[in-house]
Amino acid sequence: DTGVSQDPRHKITKRGQNVTFRCDPISEHNRLYWYRQTLGQGPEFLTYFQNEAQLEKSRLLSDRFSAERPKGSFSTLEIQRTEQGDSAMYLCASSASQEQETQYFGPGTRLLVL
Amino acid sequence: GENVEQHPSTLSVQEGDSAVIKCTYSDSASNYFPWYKQELGKGPQLIIDIRSNVGEKKDQRIAVTLNKTAKHFSLHITETQPEDSAVYFCAASSWGKLQFGAGTQVVVTP
Repeated sequence: DTGVSQDPRHKITKRGQNVTFRCDPISEHNRLYWYRQTLGQGPEFLTYFQNEAQLEKSRLLSDRFSAERPKGSFSTLEIQRTEQGDSAMYLCASSASQEQETQYFGPGTRLLVL
Repeated sequence: GENVEQHPSTLSVQEGDSAVIKCTYSDSASNYFPWYKQELGKGPQLIIDIRSNVGEKKDQRIAVTLNKTAKHFSLHITETQPEDSAVYFCAASSWGKLQFGAGTQVVVTP
């Protein structure tokens, strides 16, 4: 399968713990996006990368959130000192380029903070 | 920033009937409008998209129309089947991040 993959698929953690999620985009896609989706809502943009450069961050991305894409391939999203309000589905998407902007989504990582 | 509104929030149709979902957007700079289908526990799956230089696009039972002047676009599903039951999201963007609508829960009853 050459689609977008995310790991883990599910994560349960206690409030105050740190968590890290990984996204592997479609091979040779140079844009990678992170979104957050809460129950009953559409995905909300968090941040995106073009190759290894982080080009935009949403105001939703507080200072407890950090994302990296060190070699322009896979990306990680870390949440420090998790809060119950962080419980959501975290979605990753990739697109080939700015011009070929169709975004393909992964299956998501569902986070539950107790 | 961009704001996308989607209606209705729920839609129940008989198998074989048509389903229509409507979205409006606020940013006239938006030039790309995809539609996604999301099944329970899965990520959104692209079903069709349209760019601002096109007014209509069709792919088998699915069609999308765009009215740039009125800033609205619609998804049409004909001859609905039970497997069309899912949540559908519209989105708008201008060369980057997608702004999604709140979604439409479509239920197709046999």
